[in-house]
Amino acid sequence: ELKVEQNPLFLSMQEGKNYTIYCNYSTTSDRLYWYRQDPGKSLESLFVLLSNGAVKQEGRLMASLDTKARLSTLHITAAVHDLSATYFCAARIGGGATNKLIFGTGTLLAVQP
Amino acid sequence: DVKVTQSSRYLVKRTGEKVFLECVQDMDHENMFWYRQDPGLGLRLIYFSYDVKMKEKGDIPEGYSVSREKKERFSLILESASTNQTSMYLCASTVAPGTPGLSGYTFGSGTRLTVV
Repeated sequence: ELKVEQNPLFLSMQEGKNYTIYCNYSTTSDRLYWYRQDPGKSLESLFVLLSNGAVKQEGRLMASLDTKARLSTLHITAAVHDLSATYFCAARIGGGATNKLIFGTGTLLAVQP
Repeated sequence: DVKVTQSSRYLVKRTGEKVFLECVQDMDHENMFWYRQDPGLGLRLIYFSYDVKMKEKGDIPEGYSVSREKKERFSLILESASTNQTSMYLCASTVAPGTPGLSGYTFGSGTRLTVV
């Protein structure tokens, strides 16, 4: 059974600082997703990572995937207050028609001025 | 703009009531999912469906059932609501595996259910 562990659960950081959120998954997965959720809102897709060594960047966020280590990271560069949100990683498993996403517990990011 | 629509944003129900949560997508997606979201637990999969009338249990199906009579609609049913089913419920959909292109999952805006 696939388990997805995310850490830290809570991250308070100052504006301008860098930090990394880690996402480990326990069995083989063919895709890794990162989502953002603002309070009271639904999930917004950030990145989809397909292969070992994949790296994607959007603004101050960069996601990478190491399938051998079963590890994905979400790196935040020079944080700004607007990045405050909860971030989830999710790994896709399943074969044939029955694919599904298994989520981590989420990381609540609070960027302080 | 593609959409997953959940019929209710907030619901308050009494213990023992039968509760229906509705989800409709307009993207002709084959696969649909129901998750519940609780603080500190992330999103947990309740049920999913990969075709009309087909369903699969997720990680926490107890106390729930689902119905998919039409491709665009996936309903979550709480047969007899209990207070421990108070939660945020999120519906999602995606294309079938193997479909060309990145198969992103689109989420609805959620239904916050309170069982009293």
